[in-house]
Amino acid sequence: GAVVSQHPSRVICKSGTSVKIECRSLDFQATTMFWYRQFPKKSLMLMATSNEGSKATYEQGVEKDKFLINHASLTLSTLTVTSAHPEDSSFYICSATTGGDRGYTFGSGTRLTVV
Amino acid sequence: AQSVTQPDIHITVSEGASLELRCNYSYGATPYLFWYVQSPGQGLQLLLKYFSGDTLVQGIKGFEAEFKRSQSSFNLRKPSVHWSDAAEYFCAVGITGTASKLTFGTGTRLQVTL
Repeated sequence: GAVVSQHPSRVICKSGTSVKIECRSLDFQATTMFWYRQFPKKSLMLMATSNEGSKATYEQGVEKDKFLINHASLTLSTLTVTSAHPEDSSFYICSATTGGDRGYTFGSGTRLTVV
Repeated sequence: AQSVTQPDIHITVSEGASLELRCNYSYGATPYLFWYVQSPGQGLQLLLKYFSGDTLVQGIKGFEAEFKRSQSSFNLRKPSVHWSDAAEYFCAVGITGTASKLTFGTGTRLQVTL
């Protein structure tokens, strides 16, 4: 079945530094990838949608310059949290699809803690 | 825009009892519908999905869901719950024919008592 690998699973960084999170589709080519943020005991909030080779589409209220998304290939998308601050601490999850009717596969998530 | 409502924030059932988690959606046409399960600190695992055809969908781990267009519902059921089913359950809706984003409900936390 479709597998999405997300790394790292857990990262702690200092305030003001940048952190990169990778999302890879291992056995399929993902035309579209999604990045979600999940607060404790809350649902998933879509941050952005990325298509290979084009700029990501950000949801309203999401800072494009803080959350940089790159979808350089059909199997890799990255989310970079720039100049991270404690309020950016959260659980980030990626998802990939080759088309809606083929389903959406989720990564295992990244727990980001900014200290 | 589509939306999803999961009316129950928290449900507690005894092991061996039946389970039904409610999900109502709002969308102008027939949507793609999904149920995902999430264990603490983990990603989402797909339980089942509905795209078209038979409105009763079978999933993994003994779960099933029924799409009822007249009620705009896609409730998740399991005849006999196991302690390992304790987790967070999310219903989600997608737009048919596209690779567009999924819209998630707020989730239902299932607690199983022994």
